[in-house]
Amino acid sequence: DSGVTQTPKHLITATGQRVTLRCSPRSGDLSVYWYQQSLDQGLQFLIQYYNGEERAKGNILERFSAQQFPDLHSELNLSSLELGDSALYFCASSVVAGTSGNTIYFGEGSWLTVV
Amino acid sequence: GENVEQHPSTLSVQEGDSAVIKCTYSDSASNYFPWYKQELGKRPQLIIDIRSNVGEKKDQRIAVTLNKTAKHFSLHITETQPEDSAVYFCAEGGSTLGRLYFGRGTQLTVWP
Repeated sequence: DSGVTQTPKHLITATGQRVTLRCSPRSGDLSVYWYQQSLDQGLQFLIQYYNGEERAKGNILERFSAQQFPDLHSELNLSSLELGDSALYFCASSVVAGTSGNTIYFGEGSWLTVV
Repeated sequence: GENVEQHPSTLSVQEGDSAVIKCTYSDSASNYFPWYKQELGKRPQLIIDIRSNVGEKKDQRIAVTLNKTAKHFSLHITETQPEDSAVYFCAEGGSTLGRLYFGRGTQLTVWP
């Protein structure tokens, strides 16, 4: 158990809908990362938050948004869902923002299926 | 930082043999290179990492080497076992941002 908690574990929804994925980082970790993993794209970095503020943005679509709350949990919002959004979405956390001497731990992931 | 090339994409070895996976990167500012192991349907788990001030690091049957001049790093697994079968991802990170960029992964299969 990495200490990073994600909910829901599985989610099936229809095209055009909106879903919210939730993540609680490890105790003491200030930085939260979201990654998307699909079969043909590997692990794609979406976005990073540090202590409530957006820190870095990767290949995140405009239909997707995220935030980190004062209690440090984070939510990833996916809207106007398309079939191609079906993937495993991972949240990860680390103590600080930089990767020098900073291990990133992954949650178990949220399986999203868009039908 | 987004260009991390990983080879091979699949690797099959006999139990007891060694396995080597190689990655190259393009960002000269990168200074952190972890390797993750992911079993089917599970989360990536860190197995070993190396920082740019070190050329080699070993942990039991696993070792990682780094050549900063050539911008490549490799994972070496010796005396492979069937339970080593998984997808292995290399990644690289910079010093100012926490995000990691991952390679496409290597499916390692160890045959008994």
